[in-house]
Amino acid sequence: EVQLVESGGGLVQPGRSLRLSCTTSGFSFGDYCMSWLRQAPGKGLEWVASIGSKADNERLEYAASVKDRFFISRDDSKNIAYLQMSTLKTEDTAVYYCSRWRIQTVYDYWGQGTLVTVSS
Amino acid sequence: DIQLTQSPTSLSASVGDRVTITCRASRGISVYLNWYQQKSGRVPKLLIYESSNLQSGVPSRFSGSGSGTDFTLTISSLQPEDFATYYCQQSYSTPTFGQGSNVEI
Repeated sequence: EVQLVESGGGLVQPGRSLRLSCTTSGFSFGDYCMSWLRQAPGKGLEWVASIGSKADNERLEYAASVKDRFFISRDDSKNIAYLQMSTLKTEDTAVYYCSRWRIQTVYDYWGQGTLVTVSS
Repeated sequence: DIQLTQSPTSLSASVGDRVTITCRASRGISVYLNWYQQKSGRVPKLLIYESSNLQSGVPSRFSGSGSGTDFTLTISSLQPEDFATYYCQQSYSTPTFGQGSNVEI
C-alpha cells in the first residue's frame, strides 16, 4: 500500500526555520519525483517545490513565492523527502502536503498533510 | 506561469443532476490537465488525469474532456458523496491549479 506521511509542522515565529519530512512506503521511492504543495486556511492548492528522481538528476524547481527561502531534498536510502523552510513569513501558514509523480506532475497519492503556522 | 480559470467557482445542485465544471488555461497545454476532488478537511483526490483518463477506483459518472485551452469535468448524476470542491491542475509546465469549484447542495 502506497503511503506518504508528513511530519515536522507546528507553530513557528516569523523569520524562523522549520524542516518538514515526508516518509514514504509501498512504492519504489527512487523511481519517483516528489513535490511539496500547500493550502492556506480556506484557500486553494498551491504547488511549492519539486525534486526529480536520480534519473532526472534530482532536478529542483520552486514556486516564486518560496524561491531562495525553501529547499527541497530527498534521501533515497530512507525513502524520505524533505522541505527545509527558512525566513518564514505569516503568509507561509498552510497545510503542507507531499505527493509523488513520474513523468508529468500527476499527483496520484498525497500525504495527510502537516500544518505550519507562522505567527508571533 | 500558466493560469487556470475555473467556472463556476460555486454551484448549487441536487442529487441526480448533471454537473459540468470548466477550466480554461491561459495558453495551450495539449491534454495535460488533471482534476482533483477535495472534501472538507480531507486530502485532495485525483479523479481524472491527462484530460480524460479516469483514475483507478474513481466512479464512471466522472468524465473529463478537452485539449488546448478548454477543458471540462462532468459528473453525469451527482451523488451525495460528490459534494466537494473540485480543482483543475495543469502538468504541461510548472504545475498550477485553478481556484476551485465548490459543489454544494
